[in-house]
Amino acid sequence: QVQLVQSGAEVKKPGASVKVSCKASGYTFNGHYMHWVRQAPGQVLEWLGRFNPSSGGTDYAEKFQGRVTMTRGTSISTVYMELSRLTSDDTAIYYCARGSWEPFDALDIWGQGTVVTVSS
Amino acid sequence: DIQMTQSPSSLSASVGDSVTITCRASQTITKYLNWYQHKPGKAPNLLIYAASSLQSGVPSRFRGSGSGTDFTLTISGLQPEDFGTYYCQQSFTTSLTFGPGTKVDIK
Repeated sequence: QVQLVQSGAEVKKPGASVKVSCKASGYTFNGHYMHWVRQAPGQVLEWLGRFNPSSGGTDYAEKFQGRVTMTRGTSISTVYMELSRLTSDDTAIYYCARGSWEPFDALDIWGQGTVVTVSS
Repeated sequence: DIQMTQSPSSLSASVGDSVTITCRASQTITKYLNWYQHKPGKAPNLLIYAASSLQSGVPSRFRGSGSGTDFTLTISGLQPEDFGTYYCQQSFTTSLTFGPGTKVDIK
């Protein structure tokens, strides 16, 4: 079946970086953008950016420009999201999600979420 | 970025009630509007895309409407499993933005 499986929870110190993986299966990987969305405790959903598996191209939210990097892994059908210079404000659940119904960019399949905790 | 607002921020309704949630964009987004249901401890679930198209597998009691800047999500015949927070999301621009959410409780 179509699914996205993310890597496990992370605990990081302020100033460090975190790299979260998202492995896709059950569909044509190159046919869909992969988006990253996060939700901090008590906060709304926040879009970080998207990765085009076909071209390797990226689009990042202005807020995260210079701090976020999305890449394709060497293993098939895996996308990585790395966030650097972490602060306590980056404590959140991070989701990868498949973009569908182009051009409406509806996020129809989501990973299970990865909890990232930033604490000294 | 396009700003999204939602009203109400929360509501409580009984099983069988009809519920309407409103979403407004800070500028026209034509029909580039999607709706999600989010339950605690789970990933968000796509309900409606392109303002009014029902995602496969979503019950027909969910209906989306609107275009331009004003949109609504209506749940006709609220069910116990419909609790959760509902978010609208615009995709008119590459930089996606979500509304602040509407929390729905079942009385």
